[in-house]
Amino acid sequence: AQSVTQLGSHVSVSEGALVLLRCNYSSSVPPYLFWYVQYPNQGLQLLLKYTTGATLVKGINGFEAEFKKSETSFHLTKPSAHMSDAAEYFCAVNSNNAGNMLTFGGGTRLMVKP
Amino acid sequence: NAGVTQTPKFQVLKTGQSMTLQCAQDMNHNSMYWYRQDPGMGLRLIYYSASEGTTDKGEVPNGYNVSRLNKREFSLRLESAAPSQTSVYFCASSLQGMNTEAFFGQGTRLTVV
Repeated sequence: AQSVTQLGSHVSVSEGALVLLRCNYSSSVPPYLFWYVQYPNQGLQLLLKYTTGATLVKGINGFEAEFKKSETSFHLTKPSAHMSDAAEYFCAVNSNNAGNMLTFGGGTRLMVKP
Repeated sequence: NAGVTQTPKFQVLKTGQSMTLQCAQDMNHNSMYWYRQDPGMGLRLIYYSASEGTTDKGEVPNGYNVSRLNKREFSLRLESAAPSQTSVYFCASSLQGMNTEAFFGQGTRLTVV
């Protein structure tokens, strides 16, 4: 079985501050990990993904995430928040023992204060 | 590029009514999915279709049926709607493979009264 936990359903930062959104997963086999973003009244779009290789993954809009196997984590960061980053962010996992069933975390709503 | 198109965008049903949510993709993807999104619970998989002619249950299939009509289209049917099915429904598609990106439609906001 696989699961994803996102700590903090709501995160608020000031414009220009560091963004840190936390994601921990459980999987008995090496996972594929994803971060998706959802803007209001829209579907989800991919920010970045980890499959194999380099553990620090860079995505769109200045976001990056680091896969840490020992901590079973895949936290999302951005050095400087912009007002346009306000959205809901979802971490997701897929692994060999779950077929092609992408499992999502509960989501974190990011608010950016001016 | 249209990507993944869902219809309708909004729907209000009375308890016990039936309806079909339509989904079509133009990216030649083999795999298609139906998710529901509820506050604090992320997206939960209802059904998926790994390829044309196959469908499988996901995490929350009860109360739903699906049809993979052809490679492009994957519909979700509620035979007898219940208030617990009030949710936002997303269709998605992807190439086959667990490391591939899923592309999502804009969603259908369904309210069952």
